[in-house]
Amino acid sequence: KQEVTQIPAALSVPEGENLVLNCSFTDSAIYNLQWFRQDPGKGLTSLLLIQSSQREQTSGRLNASLDKSSGRSTLYIAASQPGDSATYLCAVDPYNQGGKLIFGQGTELSVKP
Amino acid sequence: NAGVTQTPKFQVLKTGQSMTLQCAQDMNHEYMSWYRQDPGMGLRLIHYSVGAGITDQGEVPNGYNVSRSTTEDFPLRLLSAAPSQTSVYFCATRTVNTEAFFGQGTRLTVV
Repeated sequence: KQEVTQIPAALSVPEGENLVLNCSFTDSAIYNLQWFRQDPGKGLTSLLLIQSSQREQTSGRLNASLDKSSGRSTLYIAASQPGDSATYLCAVDPYNQGGKLIFGQGTELSVKP
Repeated sequence: NAGVTQTPKFQVLKTGQSMTLQCAQDMNHEYMSWYRQDPGMGLRLIHYSVGAGITDQGEVPNGYNVSRSTTEDFPLRLLSAAPSQTSVYFCATRTVNTEAFFGQGTRLTVV
């Protein structure tokens, strides 16, 4: 059974720091991995999607990597800002699961001014 | 282009009442899903659909019913509301091997 884990559950950093969020999954048979952001009381917003054949994807200050063989993905945020404060979730799209996404529990990020 | 629209945004029900949470999308996506989000439990899949006329159960389907008569709509029915169904409900859509789009959620309280 595919399981997705995100560590740490919460992270607090001063503004300007570079930081890394971690996501691990137990079964490497996936089509892709997606990172989301969720602000309090809001829905999830897609940040980056990495196909299983890719190693990384970049969007602005965000860079996501994928190592399928080891079951790991990281989300790197450069020069963090208070506006980056949110919960970040990763989700995998497993083979032969009818399109079901499996989510991690999320990392709650707080960037202090 | 509205994306994914969920209605209502907030709802209070009495135990035993029934209701339908609406989800509509205008992106012509084949896949639609319902999740519930509870503190400490993360997102849990209730029901999902890979196309009109096709639905299947997710991780926590009991007490919920779905149907998918059109590509655009995927309503979630609570048959007899219970306090354990107090949660935030999200609808998500996507097409094969692409990013998922979420609605803004329905916050449901059952008293």
